[in-house]
Amino acid sequence: EAEVAQSPRYKITEKSQAVAFWCDPISGHATLYWYRQILGQGPELLVQFQDESVVDDSQLPKDRFSAERLKGVDSTLKIQPAELGDSAMYLCASSFTRGGSYEQYFGPGTRLTVT
Amino acid sequence: AQSVSQHNHHVILSEAASLELGCNYSYGGTVNLFWYVQYPGQHLQLLLKYFSGDPLVKGIKGFEAEFIKSKFSFNLRKPSVQWSDTAEYFCAVTNDYKLSFGAGTTVTVRA
Repeated sequence: EAEVAQSPRYKITEKSQAVAFWCDPISGHATLYWYRQILGQGPELLVQFQDESVVDDSQLPKDRFSAERLKGVDSTLKIQPAELGDSAMYLCASSFTRGGSYEQYFGPGTRLTVT
Repeated sequence: AQSVSQHNHHVILSEAASLELGCNYSYGGTVNLFWYVQYPGQHLQLLLKYFSGDPLVKGIKGFEAEFIKSKFSFNLRKPSVQWSDTAEYFCAVTNDYKLSFGAGTTVTVRA
């Protein structure tokens, strides 16, 4: 069964450093999502791509976070500089296309610890 | 903005006991409703979903959920839990393009 791939699985970084996460969605999925999940809370959408275009980044802290999906396939989420409050699980998900009726498939996540 | 409330943060029960997890949402329009599960060490996966039609939805592993529109609720149930049901359960709602999650309920099943 096809899966969403993410790397790295774990990342420890010092505050003020730059960090990047990578996601490879299920082949053929046009929509890609990045979520942040803080311990004890549910996932919160950071950014949503339809192919290579950002369609929702209203919750993305744009002063320090950036995301790209240049060729409409894999995607990178970057934080620069990292802050202590960025410690969380970063989840990537994909779906066939946009719309609430399409199931989102989640990757294993990247657990970020900022020291 | 829509919000999702899950009533229980942590539920502990014994094998063969019945399980019910509450979920309420705030959005008043047409919604699609989901329950996701995360087993220890695994990624989030879909347990069941409701889009329209019969408000009683059956999912994988013997789970079911009932959509009650008048109460803005989508409660998850299982008549008899197993140790392998130990996991974190998330209710989620989308009105169209954005999925909003509840805070999750950790379920611990004791053998």
